[in-house]
Amino acid sequence: GQQLNQSPQSMFIQEGEDVSMNCTSSSIFNTWLWYKQDPGEGPVLLIALYKAGELTSNGRLTAQFGITRKDSFLNISASIPSDVGIYFCAGMNYGGSQGNLIFGKGTKLSVKP
Amino acid sequence: DAGVTQSPTHLIKTRGQHVTLRCSPISGHKSVSWYQQVLGQGPQFIFQYYEKEERGRGNFPDRFSARQFPNYSSELNVNALLLGDSALYLCASSWRTGTLEAFFGQGTRLTVV
Repeated sequence: GQQLNQSPQSMFIQEGEDVSMNCTSSSIFNTWLWYKQDPGEGPVLLIALYKAGELTSNGRLTAQFGITRKDSFLNISASIPSDVGIYFCAGMNYGGSQGNLIFGKGTKLSVKP
Repeated sequence: DAGVTQSPTHLIKTRGQHVTLRCSPISGHKSVSWYQQVLGQGPQFIFQYYEKEERGRGNFPDRFSARQFPNYSSELNVNALLLGDSALYLCASSWRTGTLEAFFGQGTRLTVV
């Protein structure tokens, strides 16, 4: 099935460091979403982006919707141990009869105290 | 408020058997989507239902079927199970199809042996 290109695949950082990850697609989306998934749990929505060029923050998280509508990035500032998990980007074209999400393969984040 | 609930949480089945997974959406949400997440991958879209009608189908064989009930809960059925069907099956609910944000349950971990 179709998936987005998400990078890096994994990151191992020191507590307090900033983190940056991105997602690219060959298709245009009018919505980008970022989710975090902990082991054995479903993905939890972190940030939703609705407009090209939009920059949105949620606490220490900041995400941007690329101008071309084919990419997005997520930054986490001053990482803490509870940031550990897998981060997924997802694209969607809302407003139609379908609203299925297309997911990236995820970025696994490990934080060393 | 209750989130999306899925049952069972874990399931072990034998090849060739049939399985039924259940999902109760967030109260007030009328759309339910099903995703399959194989280990190490992002979720893949299987079905979306809205107001008891199928509104979208992903690239999955006819062994996969689903339905939505008048109370908006949903079942995912998989016939003639294969080893490759082993995955985390996620249910997501949203207010309506094509909405901007979907909220996921904790998933059902299906193991086919």
